Amino acid sequence: QVQLQQSGPGLVKPSQTLSLTCAISGDSVSSNSVAWHWIRQSPSRGLEWLGRTYYRSKWYTDYAVSVKGRITINPDTSKNHFSLQLISVTPEDTAVYFCARCYSWHVDYWGQGILVTVSS
Amino acid sequence: QSVLTQPPSVSAAPGQRVTISCSGGNSNIGNDYVSWYQHLPGTAPKLLIYDNDKRPSGIPDRFSGSKSGTSATLGITGLQTGDEADYYCGTWDTSLSAWVFGGGTKLTVL
Repeated sequence: QVQLQQSGPGLVKPSQTLSLTCAISGDSVSSNSVAWHWIRQSPSRGLEWLGRTYYRSKWYTDYAVSVKGRITINPDTSKNHFSLQLISVTPEDTAVYFCARCYSWHVDYWGQGILVTVSS
Repeated sequence: QSVLTQPPSVSAAPGQRVTISCSGGNSNIGNDYVSWYQHLPGTAPKLLIYDNDKRPSGIPDRFSGSKSGTSATLGITGLQTGDEADYYCGTWDTSLSAWVFGGGTKLTVL
């Protein structure tokens, strides 16, 4: 059974960096049949895909246009986890952040979600 | 504005049937599999339908999915009060190289 355990601060000041980690159990971040995603949810924007990382003989990343230039998703094979960094945050980045596994063309496992509030 | 278009809300009485539409284009629904998710506040979204019309184990057959061209539909029969939630469609968009979700549909069971 795959489990995703998220960790990170729930409060970030404007202009600072949001950092979250997703620890994977029951699968490998280096699996060549899945991808690892970050998705956020807010009342105003619903579910919003942020980006993904995956391994197919080498590492690949894709990012949403809405956050490109501010986002980095990194895998860590030694800890079997992947991370999200979002720089220069504003109150509009306030949301519940989820990590997730995508198998084939659907998201089958989700982390528990972390509410991140951007406020001074 | 979301790349995939869903109605903001639908409602029906307990025991009735409801459908939720998801409209896209050739670069997303027309080119890839569609999946559907149920989201209750405070919880992680749950996969209801994948590959257009398949149900994961544990999802009752009251939930069904279909796809035609650049549109997809989620159907729910025998509505229960526990089905009240937000429902999202999702797929990969090859032009954007991005996963896209619909704007979400709030289901109210009257």
